[in-house]
Amino acid sequence: ETGVTQSPTHLIKTRGQQVTLRCSSQSGHNTVSWYQQALGQGPQFIFQYYREEENGRGNFPPRFSGLQFPNYSSELNVNALELDDSALYLCASSFKGPQETQYFGPGTRLLVL
Amino acid sequence: GEDVEQSLFLSVREGDSSVINCTYTDSSSTYLYWYKQEPGAGLQLLTYIFSNMDMKQDQRLTVLLNKKDKHLSLRIADTQTGDSAIYFCADDPGANNLFFGTGTRLTVIP
Repeated sequence: ETGVTQSPTHLIKTRGQQVTLRCSSQSGHNTVSWYQQALGQGPQFIFQYYREEENGRGNFPPRFSGLQFPNYSSELNVNALELDDSALYLCASSFKGPQETQYFGPGTRLLVL
Repeated sequence: GEDVEQSLFLSVREGDSSVINCTYTDSSSTYLYWYKQEPGAGLQLLTYIFSNMDMKQDQRLTVLLNKKDKHLSLRIADTQTGDSAIYFCADDPGANNLFFGTGTRLTVIP
């Protein structure tokens, strides 16, 4: 167990809706990264939050947005859901430094119908 | 952009050694990681290696890094049925994010 928690565990939405996923980081960590893992694929980096600001972004459109709170927990928001957004969403927490080992939560499985 | 490649499948008999291979393209990689994913679960960190090392051993796990060829391998000694899972290598080029391969599904035959 890493101490990284995510909620909800599963979610079903319809196309065009909006969704918010939540992540609590491991104690002592100050950085949260979000990844999307489509079925049969490796995780793909969405973005990272550090000091409550976005600190790097992958190749995802602006309808993917996030927040980090003073307690280092984070949210991932996705607007105008598309069928291809169906995936496992993973968050990882780390401590910002020369070497940032990322520890992953169990993920939220999102199904868009 | 960075590309990380792994073979998709590996089957071994219980008690044998497993070797999972990975190649990457970014020569500025600083750390390389191995993660394990069991069905329906998140990623579990197994081990990592710094790019100036060529080997790291951690109990049953041995990581070999050939930086010249950009080749990384994970050897699991005395493979058990509980080792059946998908194994991902991930590259950290120092850009705040990890690049993952597509994963190698390891099946351990009793």
